[in-house]
Amino acid sequence: AQSVTQLGSHVSVSEGALVLLRCNYSSSVPPYLFWYVQYPNQGLQLLLKYTTGATLVKGINGFEAEFKKSETSFHLTKPSAHMSDAAEYFCAVSAAGRRALTFGSGTRLQVQP
Amino acid sequence: EAGVVQSPRYKIIEKKQPVAFWCNPISGHNTLYWYRQNLGQGPELLIRYENEEAVDDSQLPKDRFSAERLKGVDSTLKIQPAELGDSAVYLCASRNKIAGGSGELFFGEGSRLTVL
Repeated sequence: AQSVTQLGSHVSVSEGALVLLRCNYSSSVPPYLFWYVQYPNQGLQLLLKYTTGATLVKGINGFEAEFKKSETSFHLTKPSAHMSDAAEYFCAVSAAGRRALTFGSGTRLQVQP
Repeated sequence: EAGVVQSPRYKIIEKKQPVAFWCNPISGHNTLYWYRQNLGQGPELLIRYENEEAVDDSQLPKDRFSAERLKGVDSTLKIQPAELGDSAVYLCASRNKIAGGSGELFFGEGSRLTVL
């Protein structure tokens, strides 16, 4: 079985501040990990993913995430928030060999001017 | 290249009425998913197709929900009869089978259902 926990359903930062969205996963086998972003009334768009290899993964729009096996975490960061980053962010896990993603409950990011 | 196309985008019905949602995946994508997203929640898998075969439908409420993917391309998700608790966004996604378990899912914009 696999699951995802996203700590903090709402995160508010000032424009230019660091963004940190937390994700912890549970998986009985080596996981594939994903971050998706959802803008209002739109579908989900992939930000980045970890499969194998380098544990620091860079994605679109300046986001990056680090896979930490010992902490079962895959936190999403961005050094400097922009107003356009305001959206809902979902962490997801897929066990190797399993073709469906299990999503967390999401974190809504607010960016204050 | 066109993305995943869903219709209708919005649907409002009264309870006990039937409703259907349609999805056209990205060309060449063998794997198709239907997810349900309740307000303030993450998407939850309803059913997964590999070509025309439903290979994971354990989360589909089979008493009122049905799905089909004829010819392994387009898919339809039906609810009959709808209940108040079915109000949600129904998301369709597809993935290239070659990508395997690490491949990205491509999502449509969703169909938002409101049951009154």
